[in-house]
Amino acid sequence: QVQLQESGPGLVKPSETLSLTCTVSGGSISSYYWSWLRQSPGKGLEWIGYIYYGGNTNYNPSLKSRVTISEDMSRNQFFLTLRSLIAADTAVYYCARGEGVLSDYYYGVDVWGQGTTVTVSS
Amino acid sequence: DIQMTQSPTSLSTSVGDSVTITCRASQSISNYLNWYQQKPGKAPKLLMFAASTLQSGVPSRFSGSGSGTDFTLTISSLQPEDFATYYCQQGYSNPYTFGQGTKLDIK
Repeated sequence: QVQLQESGPGLVKPSETLSLTCTVSGGSISSYYWSWLRQSPGKGLEWIGYIYYGGNTNYNPSLKSRVTISEDMSRNQFFLTLRSLIAADTAVYYCARGEGVLSDYYYGVDVWGQGTTVTVSS
Repeated sequence: DIQMTQSPTSLSTSVGDSVTITCRASQSISNYLNWYQQKPGKAPKLLMFAASTLQSGVPSRFSGSGSGTDFTLTISSLQPEDFATYYCQQGYSNPYTFGQGTKLDIK
């Protein structure tokens, strides 16, 4: 079965850039929406974006100017880059697999990583 | 953005009870509505997609209904493992927003 594992720093300074990696095992990343979401006490669950079908991306407009999602199919990994960090970016970050019909999430997000806590603080 | 509003925010219940959680969208989302269960320290788990279709492996005591703007998740005969927080999510339009959650705890 497909499993996802996030990796990256737990502490990042304000104004710096967060880089997270999601390693997918048990399946290929050649299909589905490979997604990033986050969860904080203040904002609840928030969808960040996804990459699909060989490099196409879809981002939350509220984060679009600061976010890049990319992939390395040869390593079965995808990545989150979030720039110009602020304290409000402190959250548990999840990578996940989603599926839909036309760039939507009709079938939901069915596989999640365990999550990684990221704190933005000097 | 489509706002998703769940009610109640919390609910104290007992094993064996039946509970219904409501999720309302700020505009029509057809049946693009997903339900998740989350336990402390764990990632959310997909329970249901397309408003009423059970994800594989989810017990049949979970059921969902609704279309348009109003949706419900019903859990019949609560089991100890069902005490958790439940979230709805609209999968209709970007950004794909979640409700604020409904926490079920033991009375």
